[in-house]
Amino acid sequence: GENVEQHPSTLSVQEGDSAVIKCTYSDSASNYFPWYKQELGKRPQLIIDIRSNVGEKKDQRIAVTLNKTAKHFSLHITETQPEDSAVYFCAASSITGNQFYFGTGTSLTVIP
Amino acid sequence: KAGVTQTPRYLIKTRGQQVTLSCSPISGHRSVSWYQQTPGQGLQFLFEYFSETQRNKGNFPGRFSGRQFSNSRSEMNVSTLELGDSALYLCASNNRGGFNNEQFFGPGTRLTVL
Repeated sequence: GENVEQHPSTLSVQEGDSAVIKCTYSDSASNYFPWYKQELGKRPQLIIDIRSNVGEKKDQRIAVTLNKTAKHFSLHITETQPEDSAVYFCAASSITGNQFYFGTGTSLTVIP
Repeated sequence: KAGVTQTPRYLIKTRGQQVTLSCSPISGHRSVSWYQQTPGQGLQFLFEYFSETQRNKGNFPGRFSGRQFSNSRSEMNVSTLELGDSALYLCASNNRGGFNNEQFFGPGTRLTVL
């Protein structure tokens, strides 16, 4: 089955700096890659996703890039703010299989 | 549109007991997946139900089971509870097979096994 690896496990940045979280996947059949943000005590919330037919997607301060050849995708957060502090999870899925494989999470701390 | 709901939100049980958790998906979503979340193991996939049938299954023992009803609501059952079953159990729904394959999570049920 699919195997998703996520790095780093913890990340601290100064407010205003950028943060990058990277994930790799193993199954070339995966074609849908969502990112979730989970604040303490809350449910994971979908923040951005990308499908394999595009290489990059941006939504305000967050962006995701996908390299299908290398089987990796990354989350980029620019101009970080304290409210960006949370655990971020990447995932991979195929639309036909519908099973979502999650990375182990990255705990992001934005220092004011 | 109402989001994914789960009941109960908190549960305390003792070893050997069994427990049933419930999940109501977003209206129109027919797929429900269940996950176990623990601090050390992240999000572990339990199983997925679609049209009342289990379509995918993770690597959990047979003590973990589920079902889905005709209205897409799903239940998860854990029998003979162990201390290690203490976790946050999340369900998620999505529009399986649709163009927008986004998966949305419920608030979770926090299970504590004493």
